[in-house]
Amino acid sequence: GENVEQHPSTLSVQEGDSAVIKCTYSDSASNYFPWYKQELGKRPQLIIDIRSNVGEKKDQRIAVTLNKTAKHFSLHITETQPEDSAVYFCAASKGTALIFGKGTTLSVSS
Amino acid sequence: DSGVTQTPKHLITATGQRVTLRCSPRSGDLSVYWYQQSLDQGLQFLIQYYNGEERAKGNILERFSAQQFPDLHSELNLSSLELGDSALYFCASSAGLSRAYEQYFGPGTRLTVT
Repeated sequence: GENVEQHPSTLSVQEGDSAVIKCTYSDSASNYFPWYKQELGKRPQLIIDIRSNVGEKKDQRIAVTLNKTAKHFSLHITETQPEDSAVYFCAASKGTALIFGKGTTLSVSS
Repeated sequence: DSGVTQTPKHLITATGQRVTLRCSPRSGDLSVYWYQQSLDQGLQFLIQYYNGEERAKGNILERFSAQQFPDLHSELNLSSLELGDSALYFCASSAGLSRAYEQYFGPGTRLTVT
């Protein structure tokens, strides 16, 4: 079945630096790739998504890139702020369901 | 606030017992998904319902079952509970079925089995 690998599992950056989280997926039929941010004790919140007919999508300080040939996609956060500290999950579609990576804990220190 | 509601927020019960978790999707959403989140396993997809019918199954144990009612709310039933079932259970809802749509998560139910 679909498998989504996410790296790194933890990431520590200084405020103002960039952060990059990478995911790979196994099912070539996957065509939807969302990213979720989960703060401690809260629900996962959709922050950005991309479909397979697009290579890159940007929303202010966050961007997602997709390489369908290599089956990997990445989340880029620029000018990180302390409030970006959270667990980030990537996901890939399997039919109408989503398979999630195991998450990356991002810590931004000021 | 995503518009997805879940009750109860917390549930503490003993091994061997049965519990029911409830989810109401966002207004207009026909799909409901259930996920289990434990510390070492991330977000595990359990099951999806669309307009009352089961559409997709993930890593759902035979002791677990779900249904979606005509008013589109959904219930997840967990029986013969074990210590390892302690986790956060989230439901999410989305609009359609023809492709994977944006999913919006509820606040979750924290289940503790003692």
